[in-house]
Amino acid sequence: SQQGEEDPQALSIQEGENATMNCSYKTSINNLQWYRQNSGRGLVHLILIRSNEREKHSGRLRVTLDTSKKSSSLLITASRAADTASYFCATDRFSGYALNFGKGTSLLVTP
Amino acid sequence: EADIYQTPRYLVIGTGKKITLECSQTMGHDKMYWYQQDPGMELHLIHYSYGVNSTEKGDLSSESTVSRIRTEHFPLTLESARPSHTSQYLCASSDGEESSYNEQFFGPGTRLTVL
Repeated sequence: SQQGEEDPQALSIQEGENATMNCSYKTSINNLQWYRQNSGRGLVHLILIRSNEREKHSGRLRVTLDTSKKSSSLLITASRAADTASYFCATDRFSGYALNFGKGTSLLVTP
Repeated sequence: EADIYQTPRYLVIGTGKKITLECSQTMGHDKMYWYQQDPGMELHLIHYSYGVNSTEKGDLSSESTVSRIRTEHFPLTLESARPSHTSQYLCASSDGEESSYNEQFFGPGTRLTVL
C-alpha cells in the first residue's frame, strides 16, 4: 500500500451494532481523512482529523488519531443498512495536495 | 452532492481504440486529480493538476495523458486502449486552501472495459 492500511478488510454486522475500522500509516502527516464509497460510485468525504487532534465527532461517526502509533480508527455507532459501503482512510503527503489512500474496509450492515 | 461530473459512466471498447474520459467541475477548484481503482482495491494516483496548463504524473505509471486548458475541465486520454487498461477511473478536485485541508470531491467514476 502507498501509505494507509485499513483493517479489517471486511466487516459484517447487524443493524444497530457499532462498526469499528482501523487505519495505519507509515510517515508523518498533517491530517487524516476518512471517505466512504458506495458500490461502483465515487468517494464521499466523511471527516477530517488534524495531526494535533486526538478525537473528533460528526453525527454517528467518531474518529481517533494516535500519531505516536501512526494509526486512526473510525467508529460508526448504531449502524444502519445504508452504512453498507467501503471506507477508506487517506493521508496527506508531505508535499503537494494529493492524498494517499489505503485499500479500504468493506462494511456490510444487515437488517 | 459534489458538482463534479464524469462521462461516460460505463465504456466498453475494443483494443486499439483511442478514448477520452471527461471530467468537469463547477466549484472553481484549482486542483484536480485522476485515480485508477481496480475492484476492491486502493486508489492509485495517475495524474494531477494544480491549475491551468499544469499537469503532472502520479504514482502509478500510466499510458494515459491529460490536459488542463480550462480550470473546470480535466480530460484523460488513452491513445490506444488495451485490456490492461480495464479499470475504474475516478476524477477528483480540491481547492487546496489551508482552511479546507484539501478535502477532495469525487466524481461518480468511469468504469472502462477493454476487450
